[in-house]
Amino acid sequence: GDSVTQMEGPVTLSEEAFLTINCTYTATGYPSLFWYVQYPGEGLQLLLKATKADDKGSNKGFEATYRKETTSFHLEKGSVQVSDSAVYFCALSDPASGGGADGLTFGKGTHLIIQP
Amino acid sequence: NAGVMQNPRHLVRRRGQEARLRCSPMKGHSHVYWYRQLPEEGLKFMVYLQKENIIDESGMPKERFSAEFPKEGPSILRIQQVVRGDSAAYFCASSKYQGKQEIQYFGPGTRLLVL
Repeated sequence: GDSVTQMEGPVTLSEEAFLTINCTYTATGYPSLFWYVQYPGEGLQLLLKATKADDKGSNKGFEATYRKETTSFHLEKGSVQVSDSAVYFCALSDPASGGGADGLTFGKGTHLIIQP
Repeated sequence: NAGVMQNPRHLVRRRGQEARLRCSPMKGHSHVYWYRQLPEEGLKFMVYLQKENIIDESGMPKERFSAEFPKEGPSILRIQQVVRGDSAAYFCASSKYQGKQEIQYFGPGTRLLVL
């Protein structure tokens, strides 16, 4: 079946540091890829998405490129802020894969802590 | 434009009781998904519904759990005879259409605690 693997957290950085959160996936079909962010006590918010190979999703200074050859969708930001502290989830959608689930397949999440 | 609404936000039940979780999708959305988030884990898909139909329940436990999305009113996730292992955050999401490019919009979740 489909799966998503994210780097383990927590990841602790200083303000203005460069951020990379690794995400790799396995899929039987040709999935769309997403990054969601979850702030404490809240639901998930879509951060960015990419629907085909070599697409780059971007939002609020965050970027991720769909790399089919390495089955990766790493999240990057050039200069993080304290307000970026949250849990970040990588996810894929592949309802036609025959794997069974019509929902999103999520990674376990990476807790990001930005210190002033 | 209201987002996905869930209630209650917090629910406490004793073992053996029933838990009913409600989800109102975004206006214009007819596709609803339920997910469960266990502590320190990612979200796990449970069930996908359209109005009056369960389309995919492959992630739903076979016993004690059921879901519905009636013609009128919110979607309901029902857990009968709750056990401590049911303690988790339950999230509902909705989308306008179904397909791998569709964005699912998430509600704030219901945090269930079973004593």
